[in-house]
Amino acid sequence: KAGVTQTPRYLIKTRGQQVTLSCSPISGHRSVSWYQQTPGQGLQFLFEYFSETQRNKGNFPGRFSGRQFSNSRSEMNVSTLELGDSALYLCASKPTPIQETQYFGPGTRLLVL
Amino acid sequence: GESVGLHLPTLSVQEGDNSIINCAYSNSASDYFIWYKQESGKGPQFIIDIRSNMDKRQGQRVTVLLNKTVKHLSLQIAATQPGDSAVYFCAENNDWNSNSGYALNFGKGTSLLVTP
Repeated sequence: KAGVTQTPRYLIKTRGQQVTLSCSPISGHRSVSWYQQTPGQGLQFLFEYFSETQRNKGNFPGRFSGRQFSNSRSEMNVSTLELGDSALYLCASKPTPIQETQYFGPGTRLLVL
Repeated sequence: GESVGLHLPTLSVQEGDNSIINCAYSNSASDYFIWYKQESGKGPQFIIDIRSNMDKRQGQRVTVLLNKTVKHLSLQIAATQPGDSAVYFCAENNDWNSNSGYALNFGKGTSLLVTP
């Protein structure tokens, strides 16, 4: 079974721009979560989607948003990029929200200049 | 607030030795714990998990120990190999919400370096 895939793998943007990242979960997995990983803060939860609905949200500003499609693929968007948004953005999937174990994709490395 | 933390940011071991990576948690309500391994340029990879009704769980070359009395979790890697070099994260999963399910709370990670 193919793992979680994320595109693009690397991205360079400038301050003020917006970015959209994509995640395809493991086949059959309908819950998708997004995390931001930085050296200083570690792994921080952004949000979780299930059945095209946001089920859970971390403590991030409204510039961070996401959505999920009917095929369970998910996108996250960051508007008005700031230098501090430079990070590895990880997507994780699991069958439904009640399962505890998540499986991560390789991440998208975003650099904001 | 509640937090999951790691005792040591880096750990260096010789190939063939056993490694022990420690993790402390502060929420006594935590009922499920997970260890992930993250190699450079990759996403976290699930290693092993344990529920709070267990004290020990073994996998292939890995053992997780849970001490609920002192809220401590450890990951033991037997006969450490160069391929074990990575950052190891513990995470707790205790924020059950009937509407949203579980949320993972990650520690900052310990970097394991295996030297020949």
